[in-house]
Amino acid sequence: AQTVTQSQPEMSVQEAETVTLSCTYDTSENNYYLFWYKQPPSRQMILVIRQEAYKQQNATENRFSVNFQKAAKSFSLKISDSQLGDTAMYFCAYGRRGSQGNLIFGKGTKLSVKP
Amino acid sequence: NAGVTQTPKFQVLKTGQSMTLQCAQDMNHEYMSWYRQDPGMGLRLIHYSVGAGITDQGEVPNGYNVSRSTTEDFPLRLLSAAPSQTSVYFCASTPGASPYNEQFFGPGTRLTVL
Repeated sequence: AQTVTQSQPEMSVQEAETVTLSCTYDTSENNYYLFWYKQPPSRQMILVIRQEAYKQQNATENRFSVNFQKAAKSFSLKISDSQLGDTAMYFCAYGRRGSQGNLIFGKGTKLSVKP
Repeated sequence: NAGVTQTPKFQVLKTGQSMTLQCAQDMNHEYMSWYRQDPGMGLRLIHYSVGAGITDQGEVPNGYNVSRSTTEDFPLRLLSAAPSQTSVYFCASTPGASPYNEQFFGPGTRLTVL
């Protein structure tokens, strides 16, 4: 069964600095998707970034980028120039391509950005 | 567009009561899903639908029913509430019949079962 592990329950970073959140996953599949979702205190889940496993190039979205290491089954999220609005829970998620069902979510990392 | 709406925002039930959590989206999305989020856990899929008239079970379906009579609405029914169903429930939708495009989430319903 696929699993997603986020080994950092909590992290903090100073405003304007860079922080990296870790995610590892376990799968025997070759085609899949990986996601980072953000859940701010408002509770609304928001997609941060998405990576398709067959694409070697790391996805980027403005200040957010990933380091996707397929062989190591690692999918870390880097946030550059951290802002107070980045304070949130961050969830890593895995989805098997061709399946209409589950996204498998990790337990989340609580990120606090300090002024 | 209102996006994905959920009602109610909060609900307290007694053990054995039944209720329906409402979910609606106005984006004409085919795929809709229900998740539950427990403290210290990520989201777990309860049920999903790839279009009107089609539903299927996710990871934790026991104790819940769904139906999808229209594209817009995807209600979740608790048949006989149990304390183990105390959780925050999220509805989500995505364009196309796949969850791997961006999922748009509702604001959640916090349910407490006494």
